[in-house]
Amino acid sequence: DGGITQSPKYLFRKEGQNVTLSCEQNLNHDAMYWYRQDPGQGLRLIYYSQIVNDFQKGDIAEGYSVSREKKESFPLTVTSAQKNPTAFYLCASRQNLMNTEAFFGQGTRLTVV
Amino acid sequence: AQKVTQAQTEISVVEKEDVTLDCVYETRDTTYYLFWYKQPPSGELVFLIRRNSFDEQNEISGRYSWNFQKSTSSFNFTITASQVVDSAVYFCALSGNQFYFGTGTSLTVIP
Repeated sequence: DGGITQSPKYLFRKEGQNVTLSCEQNLNHDAMYWYRQDPGQGLRLIYYSQIVNDFQKGDIAEGYSVSREKKESFPLTVTSAQKNPTAFYLCASRQNLMNTEAFFGQGTRLTVV
Repeated sequence: AQKVTQAQTEISVVEKEDVTLDCVYETRDTTYYLFWYKQPPSGELVFLIRRNSFDEQNEISGRYSWNFQKSTSSFNFTITASQVVDSAVYFCALSGNQFYFGTGTSLTVIP
């Protein structure tokens, strides 16, 4: 089935550790996005990529890093520099056109222990 | 600047009541697109509707309807005869190079 797969669904991280969240899509979409969701704050954009080997910072990129080596993959690394990483993370993709909707993965809930 | 405002944080209604979710947007673009998404408890956002800035016709899909008014920069969403399964967080979004989401409205339908 076509879609976006995020893994893992739940992730626990010790303070000071880096952790990588996976996002894979088989929709042949050019653009991919990472959002962070906290209660009462909606979705905030971390990074986005409109083409392979290129990406841009969103509104809250500090403490995060991404790569886009393949069209179908857009992993997000939460580094130890991110002071408050506990949140729900959503990955999305769409065709690189303004009028197209984004398709979302099921999300990864990251908890720092 | 691009911005989407959903002033209603939480709404509770009794089953079978009608409910309207408000969305107000800001943009300097003359061509833009607006979206509504539903986020059930499972977490995945589900696309509901897309509307472009040149099409102000209201749209109805079953119990759902959308009212787009450019004059007031609003794109409101009405659920008629609400059901428990409508309980979710609903997001309005504006499209440019990226999506600009509102903070969402949490709807609870009480049986």
